[in-house]
Amino acid sequence: AQSVSQHNHHVILSEAASLELGCNYSYGGTVNLFWYVQYPGQHLQLLLKYFSGDPLVKGIKGFEAEFIKSKFSFNLRKPSVQWSDTAEYFCAATQGSFNKFYFGSGTKLNVKP
Amino acid sequence: DAGVTQSPTHLIKTRGQQVTLRCSPKSGHDTVSWYQQALGQGPQFIFQYYEEEERQRGNFPDRFSGHQFPNYSSELNVNALLLGDSALYLCASSLHRDNSPLHFGNGTRLTVT
Repeated sequence: AQSVSQHNHHVILSEAASLELGCNYSYGGTVNLFWYVQYPGQHLQLLLKYFSGDPLVKGIKGFEAEFIKSKFSFNLRKPSVQWSDTAEYFCAATQGSFNKFYFGSGTKLNVKP
Repeated sequence: DAGVTQSPTHLIKTRGQQVTLRCSPKSGHDTVSWYQQALGQGPQFIFQYYEEEERQRGNFPDRFSGHQFPNYSSELNVNALLLGDSALYLCASSLHRDNSPLHFGNGTRLTVT
């Protein structure tokens, strides 16, 4: 069965610091990858997605992620975080079947002003 | 506006009781999936409904059942509640095609005492 791992459970940064959140998946076949964000008190929202093509994908609010097939990774990055980026971030993957998503356990990001 | 609406927002039940949670998908979406998110964990796939039939199922016991109506709305039923069923239950809607991202509701917080 496919699984998704997020090894950073809680990250604390100061504003303007750079961010990288790790995500690894276990499935070796075709995989679609996603990052979702959950701001305090809000529902899960799609941040960005990768299906195929350019392994560097750009999402909303200045976030980007790089798919590295050889490392089974899909790390999320942002060059300069803002206080408003404080949220919980979830990496997710699908194994090609319709919409059966596997989620990581999430990373809580706390950005200090 | 989440687009996906869930009710109720909170629910408290006693062990052994039964519960029904409701979900209306985002306008235009035809597929509804249910996820369980325990505290400190990522969402775990329960099952998916399309064309009023359960299409896929995660690793959850038969106590968890569902239904989809002709208007695409859905219910999640849990029988013989256990303390371990306490969690946030998320409904997500999508289009029934590969790579369609999930759109989440705000969830129903179920507490079993």
